Amino acid sequence: RKEVEQDPGPFNVPEGATVAFNCTYSNSASQSFFWYRQDCRKEPKLLMSVYSSGNEDGRFTAQLNRASQYISLLIRDSKLSDSATYLCVVNEGGFKTIFGAGTRLFVKA
Amino acid sequence: EPEVTQTPSHQVTQMGQEVILRCVPISNHLYFYWYRQILGQKVEFLVSFYNNEISEKSEIFDDQFSVERPDGSNFTLKIRSTKLEDSAMYFCASSSGRGSYNEQFFGPGTRLTVL
Repeated sequence: RKEVEQDPGPFNVPEGATVAFNCTYSNSASQSFFWYRQDCRKEPKLLMSVYSSGNEDGRFTAQLNRASQYISLLIRDSKLSDSATYLCVVNEGGFKTIFGAGTRLFVKA
Repeated sequence: EPEVTQTPSHQVTQMGQEVILRCVPISNHLYFYWYRQILGQKVEFLVSFYNNEISEKSEIFDDQFSVERPDGSNFTLKIRSTKLEDSAMYFCASSSGRGSYNEQFFGPGTRLTVL
């Protein structure tokens, strides 16, 4: 089983749509969770950290379910500029950070 | 806004040659990392560095690799004898904390091409 698993997509959605990404992780002792965004041939950039209580930042909502070892990201009212690869990232408590392979999103006009 | 910088942006080398990739982390950060991303694949952790020593490394980070913080600002990754499969984008990152505070800021990367 992969350490961090994501649906590779791609997701093709029209502007204004709501889209949800899922991620599962294998190590139940994992401690920190993040969503990063990566544009083509660019560096990953932090989108948001994910907390057990769930958190929201504008159009973005992240949820963590520790019992199911599942993380989600919801994007509401998609914009063209949201087109990117979304990376689920897990820290197991040490220094090592594990990236999922990413889910590609294309938002169309 | 402070940022992580990396040089060069693109390095082309012959198989068997040594390369040094350079990074300047954000100035008040204490934790430093190297990652690689082979084209079309996921970002992979190589090594973390804290308090002037390696704090953790992955299976990828074998004897061919080394890291150094030669002065107060630079953080380098050396590959002693490059192989074709070392061709990848190498990202440096830094953070002020770890764990839940482990927001890592990434540099723009160095694209390494081994011929």
